[in-house]
Amino acid sequence: AQRVTQPEKLLSVFKGAPVELKCNYSYSGSPELFWYVQYSRQRLQLLLRHISRESIKGFTADLNKGETSFHLKKPFAQEEDSAMYYCALSGRETSYDKVIFGPGTSLSVIP
Amino acid sequence: NAGVTQTPKFQVLKTGQSMTLQCAQDMNHEYMSWYRQDPGMGLRLIHYSVGAGITDQGEVPNGYNVSRSTTEDFPLRLLSAAPSQTSVYFCASRGLAGTGELFFGEGSRLTVL
Repeated sequence: AQRVTQPEKLLSVFKGAPVELKCNYSYSGSPELFWYVQYSRQRLQLLLRHISRESIKGFTADLNKGETSFHLKKPFAQEEDSAMYYCALSGRETSYDKVIFGPGTSLSVIP
Repeated sequence: NAGVTQTPKFQVLKTGQSMTLQCAQDMNHEYMSWYRQDPGMGLRLIHYSVGAGITDQGEVPNGYNVSRSTTEDFPLRLLSAAPSQTSVYFCASRGLAGTGELFFGEGSRLTVL
């Protein structure tokens, strides 16, 4: 069964400090991991996916299959990073796999 | 670009009433899905579809029905609303051949009294 956990419901950091949002998953097959973000009064949108291995808005995330983790990191937090962040999982065996989300972490960046 | 469109944005129901949340997408996406968002629970998958005529249950399907008669539309039906169904509902779609990115609607806030 697919499962995504995000241990922190709330995370507060000061502007300029590093931030790490944790995500762990369980999945028996080959996973595809995503981070989605929901800014205030905006639609949920994709932030990044592990396959692309890119940095978006200064955020990076590395898939660690040994630890079954996909933590989101940014070296210097900005006020505009305040938002709700969701980790999501889909299978890669077929294109028909459902997408399961974690409970989310609300990030607050203090000026 | 319309993307994913959900209606209505807000709805108040009484216990036992029925209603349908509408979802339409104009991106020719095969995959469509419904989630509910509750505080502390995140987004939980209700039902999903990988094409017209094909639907499957997600994590929390009880109390909800779906159908997929066209590629564009994926309505969510509540046959007998309960207070436990008070939530914000999101429709999302993605192409099966592509980046895997889900595109979301703006959400529908449902209150069941």
